[in-house]
Parts: sequence; structure tokens; C-alpha cells
Amino acid sequence: GAVVSQHPSWVICKSGTSVKIECRSLDFQATTMFWYRQFPKQSLMLMATSNEGSKATYEQGVEKDKFLINHASLTLSTLTVTSAHPEDSSFYICSARGQGGGETQYFGPGTRLLVL
Amino acid sequence: SQKIEQNSEALNIQEGKTATLTCNYTNYSPAYLQWYRQDPGRGPVFLLLIRENEKEKRKERLKVTFDTTLKQSLFHITASQPADSATYLCALDSSNTGKLIFGQGTTLQVKP
Repeated sequence: GAVVSQHPSWVICKSGTSVKIECRSLDFQATTMFWYRQFPKQSLMLMATSNEGSKATYEQGVEKDKFLINHASLTLSTLTVTSAHPEDSSFYICSARGQGGGETQYFGPGTRLLVL
Repeated sequence: SQKIEQNSEALNIQEGKTATLTCNYTNYSPAYLQWYRQDPGRGPVFLLLIRENEKEKRKERLKVTFDTTLKQSLFHITASQPADSATYLCALDSSNTGKLIFGQGTTLQVKP
């Protein structure tokens, strides 16, 4: 089956630093990847859509200058949280759809970010 | 307003029984609806997808129904096992772009 990995699985950083999270589709090519955020006891909220070779599109209320997304290849998308603050502490999850554009999305295991 | 709602209360059932989880939505007309399983600290795992022209879909002990008139999907796990204990999320794609909108999830606890 389709496998999506994320790295790192967890990260602790100081306020003001930037953190990069990688999302890889391991056995398929993903033209579209999505980034979600999940706060404790809440559901997943879509942050942005990442399309290979083009700019990401962000959901309303998500700062594009704070959450930089790069989708440079068909198997890799990165999310950089710039100048992280404690309120950015959350569980970040990516998902990927295959080149065929099927409806099924495959999710990564998530990255837990704690900003001190 | 648009909403997708799942029963936020935890569902506790005895092993071997059938678990039934509900997902209701308002002011959406999704072409399909998906169900995922999420374990604590992990990403969601895809279980089933059902399209608007399908009334029911099965996969092993899982069954999903989709009633576009009631705007409701039901998710059943038959012969439940303690290993089925997890949070189950329903999700729909309101714009057919892959942007999923998730319900808040229902936590299922299966007791031996």
C-alpha cells in the first residue's frame, strides 16, 4: 500500500527558531500533498495544499509567510514553521494523493512540535 | 452554516458486539465520504471511501452506509475486538479538490 513518511516525528525548539518538517511519499508519486494541524482533543484542520512545482495554496487564516511550504519533487514536500512561538505547538500531519488523482489520501505519522 | 458532526462522546462496547458510529453533515453535497482510524499520537489511517451513488460498502468487518437524503453516514464494526479501540474520523471533500474536512472524531473503547 501507499506509504507516507514524516521527519522528524517530534521536535522541541526555542521560541523564535525555525523548524522544517519533511513529508515523503515512499512508494508512489504525489502530485498533491496536504498539510494539516491538530490541536489536543481536536480534529485535523487543513492548513494548505502543496502542488508539485507550483506555489502552495493556503486556507483562510493560515499565514503563508509563517508556514512556508515547498513541493520540489513528486515525492517530497516540506513545511517550515518560521519564527516559531509556543502557540505553534501542535501535531502537524501531511497527506498525499497519487498521480492518478484518486480520492484516497494517505497520511503520514505526524510530527509533534513543542515550542518552548 | 456548514458542519460535519460526529458523536463526541466516547463509545464503550463489549468485545464481540457491533459498534455503530455516526457522521452527520449540513450544507455540504459531497461526492464521497471517507472514514479514517486514528490512534493516539499517530496520523489517520484510511479505512473506507463511499461515493454518493453507493448506499453501502464493506471491507472485512467494516461496513459504511451513506444516505445523501439524511446527510448521514454510518460506520459499523462487527465482532468488535479490543484492538479496534481508537478514534474514528469521518471526512468529506466539499469541493472535490482533495481538501478534506474532518469531523471531530468518535473514540471507541472495546472492552474484553
